This record gives sequence, C-alpha cells and structure tokens, in this order.
Amino acid sequence: AQKVTQAQTEISVVEKEDVTLDCVYETRDTTYYLFWYKQPPSGELVFLIRRNSFDEQNEISGRYSWNFQKSTSSFNFTITASQVVDSAVYFCFMDSNYQLIWGAGTKLIIKP
Amino acid sequence: GAVVSQHPSRVICKSGTSVKIECRSLDFQATTMFWYRQFPKKSLMLMATSNEGSKATYEQGVEKDKFLINHASLTLSTLTVTSAHPEDSSFYICSARDGDSQETQYFGPGTRLLVL
Repeated sequence: AQKVTQAQTEISVVEKEDVTLDCVYETRDTTYYLFWYKQPPSGELVFLIRRNSFDEQNEISGRYSWNFQKSTSSFNFTITASQVVDSAVYFCFMDSNYQLIWGAGTKLIIKP
Repeated sequence: GAVVSQHPSRVICKSGTSVKIECRSLDFQATTMFWYRQFPKKSLMLMATSNEGSKATYEQGVEKDKFLINHASLTLSTLTVTSAHPEDSSFYICSARDGDSQETQYFGPGTRLLVL
C-alpha cells in the first residue's frame, strides 16, 4: 500500500526553538518523489522542497533542512530557530508512479 | 518558476446554482491537471485527474455529474460544481503537471466556495 504518515497532528513551540516535523512513507515503487508544502492560514500551498528517490542527500535552505532516509522511509523536516511566521500547516506529499498521496498535515504553532 | 492560477479566488453563491472554477497554467503546458478539495483542518483530497482532450478520471466517492471537469486545452482546466449545496462549501485547489517535465506538480492558490 502507498501511504504517507505525519504522526504529529499539532506541534506548539516557543519562538527560536528548533522543531522537527516527521514524515514516513510507504511505497513499492523504486521511483518516487517526496514533497513538503506549507499552507499558511491564507490557504495557498507554498512549495518547499522536492526530492526524488535516488537522491538521499540532505538539504539545507536557510533555517529549513530536510533529512531523507530511505532505510527508514522517512523524510523529516526541521526548522531551526523557529519564527512566528513559520506557523502554518505543513504537508508531506508523495508522487509515486503517478499516484498522489498526501499526509494528514502537521499544524505548527510558533508562540512569541 | 511555473505558475498556476485559479479564478475566482473566492465565490459565494446561492444553493442550487452552478459555479465554475478555472485553473490555468501560465507558462507551461499542463498535460495533466488535478483537482483537490480540502475540508477545514483536513488534508487535501484528490477529486479527479484530468488529461487534456480526454475525460477526467474521478476518485472513488466523487460524483462525476456533480463535479464536472473539462480540460479543453493544455493550459486550462475547469471544475464546475453543479447545483451547489451548502455541503459543497470547501476550498478547492488545482495542480498542474508540466508536460515537458513530468516530475513536478505546481499548485494553484485555491478557490474558497461558500454555498448559502
């Protein structure tokens, strides 16, 4: 079965703390793509990152970093020194053999 | 980067009327477009996949006659909510897959539909 699990429904941290959002996926395909999207209260989906299954390199973009581990089928997302503007719902999404599977989303609340 | 637009961004209509939502790829040809629905505080639910020039493929449980999808060109797909009812109120999001690079989807900004 193909599945994306974001076990954390809601996370609340104080500003400047680091926070990691978990994403675990299941697929039998060898070629697949993993994405993270941010959905602020306004509703539009903001693209954060795309990874293909052959590229396990971790990525850092400013305060954001992603840890892709095929051994554990995880694609976790870390925000360093969180800010109030990071408050949003974050979705992990998989495109596997043209099957589109979304995680349930993690609501991140950053308190000032 | 690629841009996908949706129109309108918000619509309020009376129960029983039909509403059309447009999804356009602005700088690429989208051979495939997807329509999603998002309920409050929920994840996105794929409603249907449309390929240019052919009939849309609907997900299980989505009424074809209720949600009409037309993908008449490589840059435009429309979703028409027919005889809308209050339970159709939702956030509708489209995405488009670049025909040249089949690897990435680009999402529209979404349309908020409120049926009174």
